Amino acid sequence: LAKTTQPISMDSYEGQEVNITCSHNNIATNDYITWYQQFPSQGPRFIIQGYKTKVTNEVASLFIPADRKSSTLSLPRVSLSDTAVYYCLAATQGGKLIFGQGTELSVKP
Amino acid sequence: GAVVSQHPSRVICKSGTSVKIECRSLDFQATTMFWYRQFPKKSLMLMATSNEGSKATYEQGVEKDKFLINHASLTLSTLTVTSAHPEDSSFYICSARDSQIRVRANTEAFFGQGTRLTVV
Repeated sequence: LAKTTQPISMDSYEGQEVNITCSHNNIATNDYITWYQQFPSQGPRFIIQGYKTKVTNEVASLFIPADRKSSTLSLPRVSLSDTAVYYCLAATQGGKLIFGQGTELSVKP
Repeated sequence: GAVVSQHPSRVICKSGTSVKIECRSLDFQATTMFWYRQFPKKSLMLMATSNEGSKATYEQGVEKDKFLINHASLTLSTLTVTSAHPEDSSFYICSARDSQIRVRANTEAFFGQGTRLTVV
């Protein structure tokens, strides 16, 4: 499974757009990129998943360049409730989800 | 949406006793479930893969006799921490995917709410 690397922490203010970049240099052809959000003392929650180019849903966008060695999670207009840890994972078919260190996002008023 | 439920959400036990944690997929079947543990301010660490009707697969360094896993039905996996010690105190989380959807890399995995185990 591809190892992922993310910034340990990020700070932002309410209303700003936040972009969290993840590198996965050894991503395999079958790997998808998935992002999860985790609040303290809760299980992770699925945010978005993609294979290449751009994916958008009601909460976030995911940008994946052509070489797929990195990806960027974009959170538009964050609020205080977006303060959480965000994990980037690269998973193969039917496979295990191996979590990296994650990015602790702190949104301030 | 699909829901994975863990029980109990919190448990305190005495050192030397055993504790069982349940993980249920409420509205889908899961032939495979995954168990994680998480220490404060740390990431989730995969402990084992629970396989319905067969033995669990443990990650390197995880004692199978210490952490007993049973996956007796398509909707229930249990993790039993045997002879618990204070160092077993942690946050335990399970996850599952819907096995009736042909498993693809883009099949969403659902996580339980976690179980906070405190061994005193």
